[in-house]
Amino acid sequence: AQTVTQSQPEMSVQEAETVTLSCTYDTSENNYYLFWYKQPPSRQMILVIRQEAYKQQNATENRFSVNFQKAAKSFSLKISDSQLGDTAMYFCAFTNTNAGKSTFGDGTTLTVKP
Amino acid sequence: GAGVSQSPSNKVTEKGKDVELRCDPISGHTALYWYRQRLGQGLEFLIYFQGNSAPDKSGLPSDRFSAERTGESVSTLTIQRTQQEDSAVYLCASSLGSGIGTNEKLLFGSGTQLSVL
Repeated sequence: AQTVTQSQPEMSVQEAETVTLSCTYDTSENNYYLFWYKQPPSRQMILVIRQEAYKQQNATENRFSVNFQKAAKSFSLKISDSQLGDTAMYFCAFTNTNAGKSTFGDGTTLTVKP
Repeated sequence: GAGVSQSPSNKVTEKGKDVELRCDPISGHTALYWYRQRLGQGLEFLIYFQGNSAPDKSGLPSDRFSAERTGESVSTLTIQRTQQEDSAVYLCASSLGSGIGTNEKLLFGSGTQLSVL
């Protein structure tokens, strides 16, 4: 079974600064996908960024980028130039290419301070 | 519709009553997922549908929980004889496909907040 661990229950960052959220996972699979989702107070989960395990290049979406270390099974999210609207709970998720469901971590609550 | 729609958005019920939660996925999405999120916690997988079939029901916590999907569209999650421990947000998500080779992202609804008194 796959597991996803987010070791930082809460983090805070000053507006315009950079913050990194950690995620590690455990799997015996070689092909899989990793995701970061954002959940603001509205409850709606929103995809932030996606990484295919077979790609060595780290994914980037505007101010969001990942540091994917496949051997270490690590998948951290870096948010640059943090904005107040980034305040939310962030979930790391793993999806095996041969299975339908995604496994989620317990989340990191990020607060961006003005 | 434009997004995944869930109803009701909030449901308060008494212990022992049955509840039905509804999910309308994005049109054309063949895969549909139910997750449970307890307060301040992560997402707990319940069940997923590929079309109208449920290949993986492994997350359903007990036989009080059941789900069905019809017309490869709407899904209903039913909880019988609700208990206080069932109080949580129930999230539904859909994606274009599921299975080998897919990397489709999940698109989520806003969830149903269930409170069992």
